[in-house]
Amino acid sequence: DAKTTQPTSMDCAEGRAANLPCNHSTISGNEYVYWYRQIHSQGPQYIIHGLKNNETNEMASLIITEDRKSSTLILPHATLRDTAVYYCIVRVKLNQGGKLIFGQGTELSVKP
Amino acid sequence: DSGVTQTPKHLITATGQRVTLRCSPRSGDLSVYWYQQSLDQGLQFLIQYYNGEERAKGNILERFSAQQFPDLHSELNLSSLELGDSALYFCASSDPFGQVEVNTIYFGEGSWLTVV
Repeated sequence: DAKTTQPTSMDCAEGRAANLPCNHSTISGNEYVYWYRQIHSQGPQYIIHGLKNNETNEMASLIITEDRKSSTLILPHATLRDTAVYYCIVRVKLNQGGKLIFGQGTELSVKP
Repeated sequence: DSGVTQTPKHLITATGQRVTLRCSPRSGDLSVYWYQQSLDQGLQFLIQYYNGEERAKGNILERFSAQQFPDLHSELNLSSLELGDSALYFCASSDPFGQVEVNTIYFGEGSWLTVV
């Protein structure tokens, strides 16, 4: 399984953009990058996923580098409720079950 | 609300006992996943079922077992419980109606198990 590397923790000021980096240098060509977050022992919440192109939804934007070895999750206007652990995950191929393997994630603290 | 329902939400039991955790996946989802989250181990994948069949296995202990029933709900059975089994157990589901190409996995709110 492709491994991901994320900073252990980050701070962000409320109202500013939060940019969370992730390295996945061993990703395979047909593996997706997924982002989830977990707010204080609640169930992990899906944020966004992508393969090659940049993606945007109502929660966030995902920027994937051209070589696909790294990506950045962008929360455009962070609020206090965005304080959570953010997980960058390379999705195991669907013909291998498609399960998610979680790393340690980035603990994002949004401060007033 | 993810649509994945787990019961019970909280459970306290003694060492050596056996418990069953139940999961109802989102309507139509064929895959069910079980995860364990303890303070020192993070989120660990245990096992996946797809339409009643075991599809993938993680670091699930031999004392633990799971199954998925014809109505697609799943149960995780934990036996000979030890103090170290105290954790939050999550169920997740995906693959609505068998559309497996690109699918999102949705998690329930978890079952807190405390072994005393």
